[in-house]
Amino acid sequence: EIVLTQSPATLSLSPGERATLSCRASQSVSSYLAWYQQKPGQAPRLLIYDASNRATGIPARFSGSGSGTDFTLTISSLEPEDFAVYYCQQRSNLDTFGQGTKLEIK
Amino acid sequence: QVQLQESGPGLVKPSGTLSLTCAVSGGSISSSNWWSWVRQPPGKGLEWIGEIYHSGSTNYNPSLKSRVTISVDKSKNQFSLKLSSVTAADTAVYYCARDLYYMDVWGKGTTVTVSS
Repeated sequence: EIVLTQSPATLSLSPGERATLSCRASQSVSSYLAWYQQKPGQAPRLLIYDASNRATGIPARFSGSGSGTDFTLTISSLEPEDFAVYYCQQRSNLDTFGQGTKLEIK
Repeated sequence: QVQLQESGPGLVKPSGTLSLTCAVSGGSISSSNWWSWVRQPPGKGLEWIGEIYHSGSTNYNPSLKSRVTISVDKSKNQFSLKLSSVTAADTAVYYCARDLYYMDVWGKGTTVTVSS
């Protein structure tokens, strides 16, 4: 089973700041990595797929990078609606999710 | 566009079987993608349960494999989840999702509580 480790567990930032979230895989997942945003009481929303492709309707301030075992989700300038929990997910070998990073307002 | 809707009992007794259905609308369950179940215990992260292709091929999370069955009903355009021998640890919000190697469409989720 491929384990995804996200860091940090919690990230405290202010609107307008840049957010950098990390996801590390226990073995290579090539580019089969996706990022999701989840707000309280809502289903997850796909942000990024195949490591760096934005899903339909996702603002350009969201970007993804990486391949192999190390991946990054960057939010260039935080908007108030971006404060949420973010998960990475791999599909190189079945599906697994990371444990999540909570992005909170500082 | 494709929409998904979970349904099923909100309360299941310990040692019983949890049964949920995901209805697919706005598209065909026979399209070229997998269909997944994902769950989220209260206050915790996401856990992939398993997936099915319209042909009936399945893949399961190894940690749940002995208790999980996912099936498809093409005539009703839906797929289903059965989880046996449930305990309080199976209490969660259960989501169904379209799985293209990434999950781009999700249902709203349904809460299942395991309690006597």
